[in-house]
Amino acid sequence: GDSVTQMEGPVTLSEEAFLTINCTYTATGYPSLFWYVQYPGEGLQLLLKATKADDKGSNKGFEATYRKETTSFHLEKGSVQVSDSAVYFCALDNTGFQKLVFGTGTRLLVSP
Amino acid sequence: SQTIHQWPATLVQPVGSPLSLECTVEGTSNPNLYWYRQAAGRGLQLLFYSVGIGQISSEVPQNLSASRPQDRQFILSSKKLLLSDSGFYLCAWNRVALAGGRNEQFFGPGTRLTVL
Repeated sequence: GDSVTQMEGPVTLSEEAFLTINCTYTATGYPSLFWYVQYPGEGLQLLLKATKADDKGSNKGFEATYRKETTSFHLEKGSVQVSDSAVYFCALDNTGFQKLVFGTGTRLLVSP
Repeated sequence: SQTIHQWPATLVQPVGSPLSLECTVEGTSNPNLYWYRQAAGRGLQLLFYSVGIGQISSEVPQNLSASRPQDRQFILSSKKLLLSDSGFYLCAWNRVALAGGRNEQFFGPGTRLTVL
């Protein structure tokens, strides 16, 4: 079946450092890809998404590009802030009905 | 604006006891509703999906069941809990946007269930 693999956390960075969180997937066809974020004490919320190969999703300074050839959707940010500390989940939908398949999540800790 | 509620926030139950988790959505009509579970060390896994009252799709074999007695109410149940039912349960809803619109899923705050 479909699956998503994320890098293990926690990822610990200093403020203004460059962030990459790796995400690869296994799926037939052309799934939609998502990054969700969970800030401390809050529910999951959509960060960005991409629906076809070579699409780039972006939001709040974060970016991720749908790479069909490497089945990847890595999350990047050029300069992280303390407020970016959260758990980040990569996910895919291969049904068109938002039946999401999630990775295990990666915790990001940003220190001042 | 739309809001999704889940309760209780935390729950500790003995093996063999029944379970009822409730999820309600406000501010929208005819949403698609979902139950997910995150077990220790694993990603969120979709358990149930509903497109309308009384319409439930079970996504994985399990000890749990779901019901949708009202349009914006989704209930997760078990007659006898197992140790393996422990985990973090999330309810979510979405409403498919019109073409070119935003199609995203909105999650509740979750229930942490510990079965002892």
